[in-house]
Amino acid sequence: AQSVAQPEDQVNVAEGNPLTVKCTYSVSGNPYLFWYVQYPNRGLQFLLKYITGDNLVKGSYGFEAEFNKSQTSFHLKKPSALVSDSALYFCAVRDRGGDKIIFGKGTRLHILP
Amino acid sequence: GAVVSQHPSRVICKSGTSVKIECRSLDFQATTMFWYRQFPKQSLMLMATSNEGSKATYEQGVEKDKFLINHASLTLSTLTVTSAHPEDSSFYICSASPGQGHTDTQYFGPGTRLTVL
Repeated sequence: AQSVAQPEDQVNVAEGNPLTVKCTYSVSGNPYLFWYVQYPNRGLQFLLKYITGDNLVKGSYGFEAEFNKSQTSFHLKKPSALVSDSALYFCAVRDRGGDKIIFGKGTRLHILP
Repeated sequence: GAVVSQHPSRVICKSGTSVKIECRSLDFQATTMFWYRQFPKQSLMLMATSNEGSKATYEQGVEKDKFLINHASLTLSTLTVTSAHPEDSSFYICSASPGQGHTDTQYFGPGTRLTVL
């Protein structure tokens, strides 16, 4: 069965510092991987996805994520954090044979001014 | 582009009543829409996959007679919570994909917060 793990419930980063939000996955074959962001009382906003090709994927708002097949990871990164990046971030996986997306439990990102 | 709306954004109802939530894809057609439920400080749990013109596919443990899904057109899916009880209070989110390919991104609605008194 496919699954997604986000090992950190919360990540605190000072504004201007680089940030990383971790994600590992378990799925047979090569998955499709996604990152979404959720602001309070709002739905999810798409940030980026990995389908194939370059392991480094660039997305919205300056975020990027690196697909590492050997470590089955897809960590979200940003070189310089903004206070407005504070939100709940979800990693998700979708196997190539289906249309269902499985979400991780989410990581709350706090950017400290 | 790829905007999904939900209505209402917030609803409060009495126990035993039914509540309908609408999910619309505003600028694209969606053969498939998805309904999720999110409890406070928890992840999204897929409830069902809504297919235009056919019956929805429910996830294990989701009561299909309680959570009625209708996907009458390529831009509208509805979720009706029948005989709602306080334990049904939650944040309900829908999503839709512009195409049928597996690489397509799912775009999410803003969510509907249901409170059952």
